[in-house]
Amino acid sequence: DSGVTQTPKHLITATGQRVTLRCSPRSGDLSVYWYQQSLDQGLQFLIQYYNGEERAKGNILERFSAQQFPDLHSELNLSSLELGDSALYFCASSAYGQPNTGELFFGEGSRLTVL
Amino acid sequence: ILNVEQSPQSLHVQEGDSTNFTCSFPSSNFYALHWYRWETAKSPEALFVMTLNGDEKKKGRISATLNTKEGYSYLYIKGSQPEDSATYLCAPQSGNMLTFGGGTRLMVKP
Repeated sequence: DSGVTQTPKHLITATGQRVTLRCSPRSGDLSVYWYQQSLDQGLQFLIQYYNGEERAKGNILERFSAQQFPDLHSELNLSSLELGDSALYFCASSAYGQPNTGELFFGEGSRLTVL
Repeated sequence: ILNVEQSPQSLHVQEGDSTNFTCSFPSSNFYALHWYRWETAKSPEALFVMTLNGDEKKKGRISATLNTKEGYSYLYIKGSQPEDSATYLCAPQSGNMLTFGGGTRLMVKP
């Protein structure tokens, strides 16, 4: 158990809908990272928040947004869903603002299926 | 986005065999190299974070080396055990972004 909690574990929805994925980092960790793993693709970095502020951005679609709240939990919002958005979405947390200063702890992921 | 290549894609070995795999990445704009172990139905787990050229890290039977000038890292497992079966991911870091390779899937037969 990494200490990172993601909900929901599984989610099935229809095209055009909007969903919210939630991540609670390990106690004391200030950074939250979001990754997407689509079929036959590796883990793709989406976005990082550190202590409530956006720190780094990857190839996150405009239809996707994220935020980190004062209690440090984070939410990833996915809107106007398309079939290709079906993927496993991981959240990871770390104590520091840069990954090289401390390891990332991954949650178990939220599996999104868009029908 | 960095181009990260891991080889081989998959590897089957017998229990007790030693094995190694490669991670290749662009050497420019390098901050660190991360290795993760990902067991099926679990979440990725950090093995090593390496930052210095020539660095070598060890954790039990697993070790890794890093060459930042030529852009590669090797992961070694000595005396593989069935519980080592997993996908091993490398991820070079540029800025705050980790770019994960496709992984090497290791299967150790008893």
